Amino acid sequence: SQKIEQNSEALNIQEGKTATLTCNYTNYSPAYLQWYRQDPGRGPVFLLLIRENEKEKRKERLKVTFDTTLKQSLFHITASQPADSATYLCALVRTGGFKTIFGAGTRLFVKA
Amino acid sequence: NAGVMQNPRHLVRRRGQEARLRCSPMKGHSHVYWYRQLPEEGLKFMVYLQKENIIDESGMPKERFSAEFPKEGPSILRIQQVVRGDSAAYFCASSPPGGEPTDTQYFGPGTRLTVL
Repeated sequence: SQKIEQNSEALNIQEGKTATLTCNYTNYSPAYLQWYRQDPGRGPVFLLLIRENEKEKRKERLKVTFDTTLKQSLFHITASQPADSATYLCALVRTGGFKTIFGAGTRLFVKA
Repeated sequence: NAGVMQNPRHLVRRRGQEARLRCSPMKGHSHVYWYRQLPEEGLKFMVYLQKENIIDESGMPKERFSAEFPKEGPSILRIQQVVRGDSAAYFCASSPPGGEPTDTQYFGPGTRLTVL
């Protein structure tokens, strides 16, 4: 069956360090992959999209990689700040599909 | 430009009652999606609609749940005869016409349904 896995354990890092979050998937042929941020009690906020023919995408302090051979995406936040503390969701859209499949998310805590 | 609006933000219903959740997409957006989120779980796709059409409802339970997106007015997610297991946060998202429909989804703040 189709599966998206994100590390269920919270990630705790020190301010200024780089946070790296992992998203693994099985049995998908995704057209593209998205990363969202979700704060408690709020809806997800779109951050970045990377297509299957792209290896890397950057936006300010954010960087996403997409390895379709490993079936994995890495999400990096450089020079992390306490304000980056949130849950980060990975989402896939299959080729030719409309349905977005979300992972359960990884909670990030950045300590000052 | 106001974001996606959902109301009510909190809804309490007793078992057997009906729940109606409303979603007003961003201005100019013609695609609407509904998701359900249980505590500590990811969002589960329920249904994707365009104006007056249901495009994909593969994530919607076959019974008691229905969705519409009329020509005028908000999208409605309707849950009949609610049960305790329906308690969850329901999120609506919208995206603009053109391009891939799921390219960038803008989410509303959600409606938290509690069934007593």
